[in-house]
Amino acid sequence: GAVVSQHPSWVICKSGTSVKIECRSLDFQATTMFWYRQFPKQSLMLMATSNEGSKATYEQGVEKDKFLINHASLTLSTLTVTSAHPEDSSFYICSGVSGTNEKLFFGSGTQLSVL
Amino acid sequence: LAKTTQPISMDSYEGQEVNITCSHNNIATNDYITWYQQFPSQGPRFIIQGYKTKVTNEVASLFIPADRKSSTLSLPRVSLSDTAVYYCLVGAWNRDDKIIFGKGTRLHILP
Repeated sequence: GAVVSQHPSWVICKSGTSVKIECRSLDFQATTMFWYRQFPKQSLMLMATSNEGSKATYEQGVEKDKFLINHASLTLSTLTVTSAHPEDSSFYICSGVSGTNEKLFFGSGTQLSVL
Repeated sequence: LAKTTQPISMDSYEGQEVNITCSHNNIATNDYITWYQQFPSQGPRFIIQGYKTKVTNEVASLFIPADRKSSTLSLPRVSLSDTAVYYCLVGAWNRDDKIIFGKGTRLHILP
């Protein structure tokens, strides 16, 4: 199946710093990418949807100025957690889809720990 | 996007066939049904996708009745390594569609 590469797989940072997570579709062009966060033993929670070349659409309750999403190309999307705080510690997962009725493929996830 | 309902958890034994059913009463005409498997600290992994009737691949089968209001993921002869959370997703995934996860089914395989 298609591959979505997500980096880093884990990151530890100090409170107040910013962290960037990259998500690349290696063998397909992701017209749409989704970003999720997941807390232990809970389901994935959609944070935002981004279409290539457009501004991301954020879910209610997700601060767009805190979670900056860039989807400048069909193979790369980034999520930047700005001024991270301990409550931002979570597992972040990206996913990409190439078109309508196509399969959705997920990155391996990034475990963020903010000290 | 159609809402999905699955059992919260299931237990089974190695070598058994496991069937996990997902309800999606308000599925739309263009929606596909896709199942994913997730292990702890990993992203979900695609298992199988279907639109109607039956689909089979090397790891699972997917049964979809004519009204498409439910679907059943069938895992033949499970092993301990099949212990995971299984999610059923329903949607057409066009540019305006969101991919919303339900709670999933936590499958625990016992020796």
